[in-house]
Amino acid sequence: AQKVTQAQTEISVVEKEDVTLDCVYETRDTTYYLFWYKQPPSGELVFLIRRNSFDEQNEISGRYSWNFQKSTSSFNFTITASQVVDSAVYFCALTSPDTGGGNKLTFGTGTQLKVEL
Amino acid sequence: ETGVTQTPRHLVMGMTNKKSLKCEQHLGHNAMYWYKQSAKKPLELMFVYSLEERVENNSVPSRFSPECPNSSHLFLHLHTLQPEDSALYLCASSQETSGGLNNEQFFGPGTRLTVL
Repeated sequence: AQKVTQAQTEISVVEKEDVTLDCVYETRDTTYYLFWYKQPPSGELVFLIRRNSFDEQNEISGRYSWNFQKSTSSFNFTITASQVVDSAVYFCALTSPDTGGGNKLTFGTGTQLKVEL
Repeated sequence: ETGVTQTPRHLVMGMTNKKSLKCEQHLGHNAMYWYKQSAKKPLELMFVYSLEERVENNSVPSRFSPECPNSSHLFLHLHTLQPEDSALYLCASSQETSGGLNNEQFFGPGTRLTVL
């Protein structure tokens, strides 16, 4: 069975601080895909990134960066110089080709990020 | 804008009512999904459709009935719901369902359902 753990339920930071959201996953599959989604108060989940298990390169996109480490089964997400607009719930998710069809995503419970002035 | 729309955005219904949720995707995707998001719980996958055929039914009670008339539209028909069914219902679409490349799912804004 697959599992995603986001141990941080809620994080509060002051604007311009850097913040890291943790994600630890469990899977027996050798090929799998990891995702981060952002859910602002409006409700929709916004796709941020997909990382393939065979590509351990870290990625940077503007103020966002992701650190994928297979050795520790972690896929952490860092926001540098946080802004109030970053306030949202962030979800880490996992899927693999062996989930029996249907592209099932296993989600973590989410981390509520609050960025204050 | 993600290209996935849902209506209505908010719905209040009694336990004896029948209502339907609608989802439309404008991304040319082949797969559509229904998820349930309850407070304090991870998102739960309910149904998956690939090329208008249901490929996954995740042990959902029969009071929820999905319909996918074409690859752009997905409905969730509701009848005799319970108060514990109150939640945010999210629709998503993806290019593929193989669990491989092009499998990222794009979500709509959700329908906030309250069952009285």
